[in-house]
Order: sequence, then structure tokens, then C-alpha cells
Amino acid sequence: ILNVEQSPQSLHVQEGDSTNFTCSFPSSNFYALHWYRWETAKSPEALFVMTLNGDEKKKGRISATLNTKEGYSYLYIKGSQPEDSATYLCALGAGGSQGNLIFGKGTKLSVKP
Amino acid sequence: DTGVSQDPRHKITKRGQNVTFRCDPISEHNRLYWYRQTLGQGPEFLTYFQNEAQLEKSRLLSDRFSAERPKGSFSTLEIQRTEQGDSAMYLCASSLAGGELGYTFGSGTRLTVV
Repeated sequence: ILNVEQSPQSLHVQEGDSTNFTCSFPSSNFYALHWYRWETAKSPEALFVMTLNGDEKKKGRISATLNTKEGYSYLYIKGSQPEDSATYLCALGAGGSQGNLIFGKGTKLSVKP
Repeated sequence: DTGVSQDPRHKITKRGQNVTFRCDPISEHNRLYWYRQTLGQGPEFLTYFQNEAQLEKSRLLSDRFSAERPKGSFSTLEIQRTEQGDSAMYLCASSLAGGELGYTFGSGTRLTVV
């Protein structure tokens, strides 16, 4: 059974702090790693889909890196803002399935003004 | 296109009743997925369709659960003889084949079985 681990479980930071989260996964049969942001009472929103070892992606103040050989991905937020408060989910695409993403439990970020 | 729509947003039902949820995906997306999320967990895969074909079902999907996508557009998820353990958020998502641009999720249907 494939397992996706995210750490920390929750994080409280002050506005302006930079922060990062970790997503760990088994590296065998990897084909994609997704990051989503899920704000309360809204839909999960796709941030990045990463497929290649060494991939780095950026969207505004948020960036992500991927290491498929050692099985981890980092998500960075530079200069956190209160509107960044959300749960950040990573999800692994692996094995023979092309539709079954395996999600971690998420990291809940709270940014205080 | 206003994204992925799910109906209803909330459903409270008595144990033993049947419930049906609907999902309208983004019209250009040929893949449609159902996930379930319980408190403190990440979303868990239930099933997915490519067009009208149901290509994969999770072992979580007992014989009380059935999903359809009759014309390759909207989908329904039915739960028969609901149990308290079925209480969860049911999320629908859609994507282009392969999901290289990520999945677009709906806001979910929160089911409470009393």
C-alpha cells in the first residue's frame, strides 16, 4: 500500500515569514506529484503537477521542488500572507493507475496578520 | 464554464436510506473522479471515468456504492443503505486525460448519516 506523508501537520506563522512543507512518498513506479491548496469552504485548487526528477515550479510567491529518487517534494511560500492560510495537500500518482492519486493528510497553514 | 459543480452541498440522511449525488464536470474534461474525505484524512480515491467508461474502482467502494457517467458528461454517485461510517465529504474532480494540468475539484457534498 502506497503511503504519502506530509509534515508538519500544522504550521502557524506571522505575516511576512517564509515557510516550507515536506511531502514524502515511495519512489517506485512514480509518474506524477500534485500539490493542491484547499481553503476552508472552497474547492481544492491545483498549484503544481510535477513529473520529472529535479523539477522546480513557481507560481508567484509559491514554489516547489521534486526529488523522485529519494521520494520527496518541498513546497515553499515566500513572505506568507493571511490569504495563504489553507491546507496544502500533496498527491502521488504511481503504479499502474492513471486515475488514482494518493493524497497525504495535508499541512494546515495559518498566517497571522 | 463555471468549473466543477456538485449537488447537493449538504445532505443529512437517516441510516438505511439511499442517497444520490451529482457532479457536473468541466465540459472539455474527459476524465471524472470521485474522492471521499473524512475528518483528519486526505481525500481517498473512490473511482474514475474516462468519458462514459468506469476505468477503476477502489476497494473502498463497496457494493452499496455505485457510480455512473451515462453520456460521458455529468456523473452520479449513489450510496444504498447508508451507514454512519459513510458520513464524509464526497469530492468530484475532472481533468483532461492524464491530468497533466492537475485536477479541477468541485466544492464537495457533505454527507451526514444520523
